[in-house]
Amino acid sequence: DAKTTQPTSMDCAEGRAANLPCNHSTISGNEYVYWYRQIHSQGPQYIIHGLKNNETNEMASLIITEDRKSSTLILPHATLRDTAVYYCIVRAAIGNQFYFGTGTSLTVIP
Amino acid sequence: GAVVSQHPSWVICKSGTSVKIECRSLDFQATTMFWYRQFPKQSLMLMATSNEGSKATYEQGVEKDKFLINHASLTLSTLTVTSAHPEDSSFYICSARRGQSTDTQYFGPGTRLTVL
Repeated sequence: DAKTTQPTSMDCAEGRAANLPCNHSTISGNEYVYWYRQIHSQGPQYIIHGLKNNETNEMASLIITEDRKSSTLILPHATLRDTAVYYCIVRAAIGNQFYFGTGTSLTVIP
Repeated sequence: GAVVSQHPSWVICKSGTSVKIECRSLDFQATTMFWYRQFPKQSLMLMATSNEGSKATYEQGVEKDKFLINHASLTLSTLTVTSAHPEDSSFYICSARRGQSTDTQYFGPGTRLTVL
């Protein structure tokens, strides 16, 4: 079962930073937080993942709170192509399966 | 790197027939592959975990005799929907993970199945 809670939808102005929150209050110490996005009728695309420390790559930044009970995905300069459903996933420690939650539908507005 | 393909991208079949969907890791060896199903306006639901050379592990509520999974090589896993019915119509997506258990999953583009 999914261990994450995300807002159903969000809007963001083009060119501004998009901050997508995720709650994972029951996360275990060795469970990673992953972020993927899915554009309509395509397979999910990997964005970023982390365990404890904040992470940054060419797509986004991931901020994980010190108690690891929540995290925020940051798209620094949102474009229209970033419109998608964003999934925050806690990877199971045993078996390493992904159980997807409902995700956040992000709409980037011109 | 880390490209996963699926074939076919879409398929239409008659009720009662079987349909095979292929999932390939193109530029890496995948010791583990996963199969998901997604209904319209819903999230992905994990169906099964497939390890190369061994039997798949199915999630609770997924009929293993209906959804046959074979992972015969490190680059190929297949999902066969047997005796398909209209309620099996869905978007089927696979993902592949490289050798280490901590590695990221990379997803295929999905296969749209429509059963008439």
